[in-house]
Amino acid sequence: EVQLVESGGGLVKPGGSLRLSCAASGFSVSGYSMNWVRQAPGKGLEWVSSMGGIPSYIYYADSLKGRFTISRDNAKNSLYLQMSSLRAEDTAVYYCARDRGDYGDYSFDYWGQGTLVTVSS
Amino acid sequence: QLVLTQSPSASASLGASVKLTCTLSSGHSSNAIAWHQQQPGTGPRYLMKLNSDGSHTKGDGIPERFSGSSSGAERYLTISSLQSEDEGDYYCQTWGTGIRVFGGGTKLTVL
Repeated sequence: EVQLVESGGGLVKPGGSLRLSCAASGFSVSGYSMNWVRQAPGKGLEWVSSMGGIPSYIYYADSLKGRFTISRDNAKNSLYLQMSSLRAEDTAVYYCARDRGDYGDYSFDYWGQGTLVTVSS
Repeated sequence: QLVLTQSPSASASLGASVKLTCTLSSGHSSNAIAWHQQQPGTGPRYLMKLNSDGSHTKGDGIPERFSGSSSGAERYLTISSLQSEDEGDYYCQTWGTGIRVFGGGTKLTVL
C-alpha cells in the first residue's frame, strides 16, 4: 500500500528556517517524480516544487524566489523540503504528493495527510 | 500562461448528478488534467487523469459514479447519484515543462 507521511511542521518566527520530511512506503521515491504542494488557511492548493525520478529534474514555483530547496534520500525513501527566510504568507499545510509515473503523466496520484507550518512572531 | 479556471461553487441535491468544469487557458486546450477531491479536514485524494479526448484513468477505489469528459479546452467531472460524502472541494491540476498548476477549486455542496 502506498503511503506518504509528512512531518517537521510547526511554529517558526519570520525569517526562520524549517525542514519538512515526507516518508514514503509501498514504493521507491527514486523511481517516481515527487512534489510538494501547500494550502494556506481557507485557500486552494498551490504547487511548490517537483523533483524528478530518473532522469532527474527540479522545479520550483516562481513565487518562492530561491528560498526553498527540495531534496530526496533514496536510502531513507524520503523527500524533503528545506524552507528558509520564512514569511507570514508561507503559513500553510504542506503536502507531499507522488506523480503517477507514466510517461508524460504528471498527475499527482497519492497524497500525504499534510503538516502545518505557521510563521508568526 | 498555463492557467486553469474553475467556478468557485456548485450545489446539487442528494441522489442527483452534478457536472463540474475546469477550463484550460488559451493555447493549452490539448493538455490532460487530473481531478482531485478534498473532503473537509482531509488531504486531497486523486480521482482521475482526464485526457483531451475524454478518455480517463481513475485512481484506486474511485467509484463508478465519478466520470470525466472533455470538449475543447473544457474538462468535466461528473458525479452521479450524489452522496453526502461527496461534499467538499474539487481541484483540477495540469502540467507543463517546469510547472504544475492547480485550478482555484470548486466547493460542492450536497443539498
